[in-house]
Amino acid sequence: AQSVAQPEDQVNVAEGNPLTVKCTYSVSGNPYLFWYVQYPNRGLQFLLKYITGDNLVKGSYGFEAEFNKSQTSFHLKKPSALVSDSALYFCAVRDKGYGQNFVFGPGTRLSVLP
Amino acid sequence: KAGVTQTPRYLIKTRGQQVTLSCSPISGHRSVSWYQQTPGQGLQFLFEYFSETQRNKGNFPGRFSGRQFSNSRSEMNVSTLELGDSALYLCASSLGQSEKLFFGSGTQLSVL
Repeated sequence: AQSVAQPEDQVNVAEGNPLTVKCTYSVSGNPYLFWYVQYPNRGLQFLLKYITGDNLVKGSYGFEAEFNKSQTSFHLKKPSALVSDSALYFCAVRDKGYGQNFVFGPGTRLSVLP
Repeated sequence: KAGVTQTPRYLIKTRGQQVTLSCSPISGHRSVSWYQQTPGQGLQFLFEYFSETQRNKGNFPGRFSGRQFSNSRSEMNVSTLELGDSALYLCASSLGQSEKLFFGSGTQLSVL
């Protein structure tokens, strides 16, 4: 069975500081890994994905994530946080096996303080 | 290119009623999936359709059902509504299994 953990419900960071939102996953096979962001009263928006290849993935709005197979982690990072980055962030995994659905983590609320 | 469109945006129903939610995917997307989002349970997968066939189903009771039409538009139906069905229902479409999901803004269902 697939599962995703986001160990922090809430992350607070000062504007201009680096941010990290953590994600660990469990799949039986090889994973597709994604990060999505949700702003209030909106659907989720895609940030970035890891399919294969380079372990460091760059995405939208200056975000990046590093795939670590040995630690089964896919942490989201940004070198310099903006107040506008404040939102709910979801990590998601999908097993590469046919017919597997997405599994989302519980979400981490990021607050960037001015 | 138009995004994923979900209608209606808000719904208020009473216990025991049934409801149908609609989703129009991005043009060319044949995969449509549905999710239930609640503060306590997060995002829970309901089902996924591809070319009118249900490819996967989440762990929800049989009161939750869905279908996909030949133009890829999808509907989900919830019968005999319960208070616990109050949630934001999100639809997403994609080009394929390794591709990102494009989400609609959701239908906020309140069951009184």
